[in-house]
Amino acid sequence: DTGVSQDPRHKITKRGQNVTFRCDPISEHNRLYWYRQTLGQGPEFLTYFQNEAQLEKSRLLSDRFSAERPKGSFSTLEIQRTEQGDSAMYLCASSLVGLAGGQSYNEQFFGPGTRLTVL
Amino acid sequence: ERKVEQNPLFLSMQEGKNYTIYCNYSTTSDRLYWYRQDPGKSLESLFVLLSNGAVKQEGRLMASLDTKARLSTLHITAAVHDLSATYFCAVDITNDMRFGAGTRLTVKP
Repeated sequence: DTGVSQDPRHKITKRGQNVTFRCDPISEHNRLYWYRQTLGQGPEFLTYFQNEAQLEKSRLLSDRFSAERPKGSFSTLEIQRTEQGDSAMYLCASSLVGLAGGQSYNEQFFGPGTRLTVL
Repeated sequence: ERKVEQNPLFLSMQEGKNYTIYCNYSTTSDRLYWYRQDPGKSLESLFVLLSNGAVKQEGRLMASLDTKARLSTLHITAAVHDLSATYFCAVDITNDMRFGAGTRLTVKP
């Protein structure tokens, strides 16, 4: 399977603990995105990387959240001192910017997500 | 504020019927995407719309984009049960993808 993979698929933790999630993008994709999705809502953008550089972070991303993409391959998202409000599905997506008729586009391919429950 | 609004949010339809889902957005963009999400699963890309007047069709689904009206539609023709899912539109705003809240579609026999 050459799609986007995420690990773990489920994580249950106690409030105050740190958690780390991993995302492996499609190998030839240079962009990697993290989103958060809560029940009944669409994904909310958190941050994105182009190769190893983190180029944009949402205002939603508090100081407790940090993401890395060493060597431009897999990425990790760490949440420190988790709070109950962090409970959500964390989605990773990757893309390779394409061109069609002179127009660039950024079709993102999503992984299965990591469901975080903070007790 | 940059908004993407879908309606309806919930849609229950009979098999064989037609219906349209609407996606309105508030900022200038000529790149819009439609995704499908099944319960407990991730998002699957359906359509990439890149210009005003773009129309794409796949099976019983057809998507269109009007950048002047800042409106995209997803039209369902002769619905079947397999189309039951949540459908999201997403607007590409300079690397920041903004998603609508989704339309939860249920197709009943």
